[in-house]
Amino acid sequence: DVKVTQSSRYLVKRTGEKVFLECVQDMDHENMFWYRQDPGLGLRLIYFSYDVKMKEKGDIPEGYSVSREKKERFSLILESASTNQTSMYLCASSPGGSQPQHFGDGTRLSIL
Amino acid sequence: QKEVEQNSGPLSVPEGAIASLNCTYSDRGSQSFFWYRQYSGKSPELIMFIYSNGDKEDGRFTAQLNKASQYVSLLIRDSQPSDSATYLCAVRAQGGSEKLVFGKGTKLTVNP
Repeated sequence: DVKVTQSSRYLVKRTGEKVFLECVQDMDHENMFWYRQDPGLGLRLIYFSYDVKMKEKGDIPEGYSVSREKKERFSLILESASTNQTSMYLCASSPGGSQPQHFGDGTRLSIL
Repeated sequence: QKEVEQNSGPLSVPEGAIASLNCTYSDRGSQSFFWYRQYSGKSPELIMFIYSNGDKEDGRFTAQLNKASQYVSLLIRDSQPSDSATYLCAVRAQGGSEKLVFGKGTKLTVNP
């Protein structure tokens, strides 16, 4: 089975802090994704990566950056956290070739 | 802007009935279609995927695709209370992109 592991289930940070969310997959997948999910807005793509050191903006990249130094790990960075970034953050991976994406358990991030 | 539309529900069915979940999409060139189940507070879990017109069955679940009508559906036979969840439809566009566009989901309640 595909295993996508997110480093924290719950996280509380303060405004202005730099926040790191980590995601690791164990299936040698080419593609990795970061989404946020908010009530009434659904899943929105922040960034994705199709190879090591490669990244592409999603629909809502403002206020975020990403890093993929190794194939199995994809990090989401909130450069200066704000209260409107309080959300559920979901990481996913896929092998490519139109194969499905598989999600981690999610990180519920609260910015106070 | 590519769109995926789902009836937000809630859809309520009695235990043992057939639940029918529907999804329409705007990009006629879309190639791959996915159904995810999401329990409250949890991350999305892949249920079915379908690439070709017609029906695809897996246990109690059947996915139906009609590309001419830009319509994909999920049928759940013999619905159980444990099927109560939000069901997300996701569509991958043509052109080789691995990005998915998600609908906002349909909340299903199966009443004992």
